[in-house]
Amino acid sequence: DAEITQSPRHKITETGRQVTLACHQTWNHNNMFWYRQDLGHGLRLIHYSYGVQDTNKGEVSDGYSVSRSNTEDLPLTLESAASSQTSVYFCASQGANTGELFFGEGSRLTVL
Amino acid sequence: GQQLNQSPQSMFIQEGEDVSMNCTSSSIFNTWLWYKQDPGEGPVLLIALYKAGELTSNGRLTAQFGITRKDSFLNISASIPSDVGIYFCAEQIQGAQKLVFGQGTRLTINP
Repeated sequence: DAEITQSPRHKITETGRQVTLACHQTWNHNNMFWYRQDLGHGLRLIHYSYGVQDTNKGEVSDGYSVSRSNTEDLPLTLESAASSQTSVYFCASQGANTGELFFGEGSRLTVL
Repeated sequence: GQQLNQSPQSMFIQEGEDVSMNCTSSSIFNTWLWYKQDPGEGPVLLIALYKAGELTSNGRLTAQFGITRKDSFLNISASIPSDVGIYFCAEQIQGAQKLVFGQGTRLTINP
């Protein structure tokens, strides 16, 4: 069965370190998204991509970057982690016909 | 940017009770989606609405796309313990493919 997977599921890092969260989908979807989930804020869009070599900023993109070198992967990088980036991060890919988002299981990041 | 206001933020109910939650927007949208997130997992689509006035059911769940295209509600009838979780409304921005999510409604059920 096609799926979307995130890794790592849990990570603890220190302020100033570079962190990369991986996202891999096997549906061959063009559209992929990264959201962060925080109490009281719901899901906020960080970055998204509509295809290979395409990346776009979402509403909370500062301090994050993504790259899209193939259809299957959209890694999210925190260049210099800050405590404000402690959160649960969700990757999603989007079905072409319905617009439905399929989410990964999330990556919980703690920045100390 | 677009804002979605989802209410209530949390609900504490008894098993067997009906539940109602809603979302309102400052803008007009073409698509309303309702997602549920179980603890420790990613959100999963429950119901999608594509037309103003549309009323759609999925088992004990019923959702409606408001006639003004600025609001939607989700009802759950005869709640059961597995209904516990966070419910999100989401809208697809006109002319784009990305989704904007509400703040979520956290549902807790007392047996």
